[in-house]
Amino acid sequence: DQQVKQNSPSLSVQEGRISILNCDYTNSMFDYFLWYKKYPAEGPTFLISISSIKDKNEDGRFTVFLNKSAKHLSLHIVPSQPGDSAVYFCAASRGANAGKSTFGDGTTLTVKP
Amino acid sequence: NAGVTQTPKFRILKIGQSMTLQCTQDMNHNYMYWYRQDPGMGLKLIYYSVGAGITDKGEVPNGYNVSRSTTEDFPLRLELAAPSQTSVYFCASSTPTSGGTDTQYFGPGTRLTVL
Repeated sequence: DQQVKQNSPSLSVQEGRISILNCDYTNSMFDYFLWYKKYPAEGPTFLISISSIKDKNEDGRFTVFLNKSAKHLSLHIVPSQPGDSAVYFCAASRGANAGKSTFGDGTTLTVKP
Repeated sequence: NAGVTQTPKFRILKIGQSMTLQCTQDMNHNYMYWYRQDPGMGLKLIYYSVGAGITDKGEVPNGYNVSRSTTEDFPLRLELAAPSQTSVYFCASSTPTSGGTDTQYFGPGTRLTVL
């Protein structure tokens, strides 16, 4: 039973447009949600997080939205840049220890110039 | 700061061989973690440590062992390599923060193939 799902394996977007990456979870006990970015042959890099007491968190071009009733979160990147091309992982945890998160399988984002 | 370093970058093992994956961090983080990532999948936690001398199992610990004798180092041991252990292994470290999640810093990974 996969508790964190990223249903789109890939997404292609034109430079300057918005990228929207989606993530669904099943465990209502999750209270912290994170997004990581991963380039080939590198380790993941933390991007942005949100706790379950919020429904939106913004950091520059990156915004994460949380819909607890739908058990759904999304990452918006505006405007998208070619350097954003990477694999994006959604993760969820019970409690603030990000190390014990459950990860989704990732979405590969390609931003075309 | 070098951050989190891992050695080796690549390794091919024969079934039944053993090896140690090295991980070192220079950020004085108390928490350290080992994950594996299989092709097309997310990361799965193998073992973690909250400080020197303290380790605990994650989601997929079978076939692995760890030790934490210093704050800096957190080696992962494979005793009897099996093809199912073919994967990319990531080490990470973090430190707790007040409010919100701790930020994890990942190493570049070790790509292991067991034939």
